[in-house]
Amino acid sequence: DADVTQTPRNRITKTGKRIMLECSQTKGHDRMYWYRQDPGLGLRLIYYSFDVKDINKGEISDGYSVSRQAQAKFSLSLESAIPNQTALYFCATSDRPNGHEQFFGPGTRLTVL
Amino acid sequence: AQSVTQLGSHVSVSEGALVLLRCNYSSSVPPYLFWYVQYPNQGLQLLLKYTSAATLVKGINGFEAEFKKSETSFHLTKPSAHMSDAAEYFCAVSKGGSYIPTFGRGTSLIVHP
Repeated sequence: DADVTQTPRNRITKTGKRIMLECSQTKGHDRMYWYRQDPGLGLRLIYYSFDVKDINKGEISDGYSVSRQAQAKFSLSLESAIPNQTALYFCATSDRPNGHEQFFGPGTRLTVL
Repeated sequence: AQSVTQLGSHVSVSEGALVLLRCNYSSSVPPYLFWYVQYPNQGLQLLLKYTSAATLVKGINGFEAEFKKSETSFHLTKPSAHMSDAAEYFCAVSKGGSYIPTFGRGTSLIVHP
């Protein structure tokens, strides 16, 4: 019974294609985040949203866009995928009273050829 | 600005031996500190957290960490490693009001039989 789900779990695409990664949560949290993980680099923040009308760029937002369709849904788009966007992508949530602890989805492994 | 340094990208121990994973942080204000664990093909999950209460924090699976302000450290320990502890471990820091954590680059724990 996953609280934070991500779809797809794996995706292989070609350079120049538009890709959307989706995240849904049943935790009722206001805050949602997108990270990418690369070997040896840890997690880097792409975008975050503290509520439905709030979208903020993170450390590495170039080449990405997001949409917060509802409190429970936060999508990440790659408008024109390039090979160096090959990575493991994680969605995370946190709640207002305890906003520092994050809850992660299982990840999406994206390969751009 | 806040930052996290994890010393050693890989740590190798024998089953039953002490586990010590090092984390040093920098923060301009008292921080919130976290250790997360990532098992293969899974998302990150919280191992333990320091939120300005007791300096020795106990987490799941027998892990604990001690906050040492004078050393700006938050090292993770476990007295006796188990094969199931093999995973990637991430230290993270955030500060009050920010809710945007900074993650270290991760340490891969390898446990030999």
